[in-house]
Amino acid sequence: DTEVTQTPKHLVMGMTNKKSLKCEQHMGHRAMYWYKQKAKKPPELMFVYSYEKLSINESVPSRFSPECPNSSLLNLHLHALQPEDSALYLCASSQAGRANEKLFFGSGTQLSVL
Amino acid sequence: SQQGEEDPQALSIQEGENATMNCSYKTSINNLQWYRQNSGRGLVHLILIRSNEREKHSGRLRVTLDTSKKSSSLLITASRAADTASYFCAIMEYGNKLVFGAGTILRVKS
Repeated sequence: DTEVTQTPKHLVMGMTNKKSLKCEQHMGHRAMYWYKQKAKKPPELMFVYSYEKLSINESVPSRFSPECPNSSLLNLHLHALQPEDSALYLCASSQAGRANEKLFFGSGTQLSVL
Repeated sequence: SQQGEEDPQALSIQEGENATMNCSYKTSINNLQWYRQNSGRGLVHLILIRSNEREKHSGRLRVTLDTSKKSSSLLITASRAADTASYFCAIMEYGNKLVFGAGTILRVKS
């Protein structure tokens, strides 16, 4: 199984809602990532977890709250988002978060904030 | 952190032709990777070249890296309609952060 599964595929939420994005992998990978991608732009790194510990936070606003309950799961909790947060949110994993590793990406959650 | 800059921004070729995309970057890197993205969904890893390597091949893909010029190129030979996608270079910065370039949109016409 070389898949990273993201749910839901699409999400529409209001600015006062609380929602969560979920990501799962069963490749035994110990590093997991959240990227944000606006239309026609490259993915931008948000968070990195290595061995279930947050290792990189790219100064992401606190309305985005990541969680890594175990080595297979990664969540992104969303609260009080703004319309400019509408984007494709991509989860990825790699073997151990070391330098010479490739990332495996999920197909993303397309988020619209109204 | 810095992104790679890619050119061209968009490329349109006929099936069977070769496609070349270039990536430049600004700082020292650990490695450089290329990814493909179809229709704004998940990215697929294509190839990784380490900073001490100069050239790498994978099937119809050929990647070069010139660390003195801080540049890389991706060549896709004998292109097919299925190669139509966005292609991104990604730079592994020290600290193990993978940072993506702006991307090249490739269209292969059949």
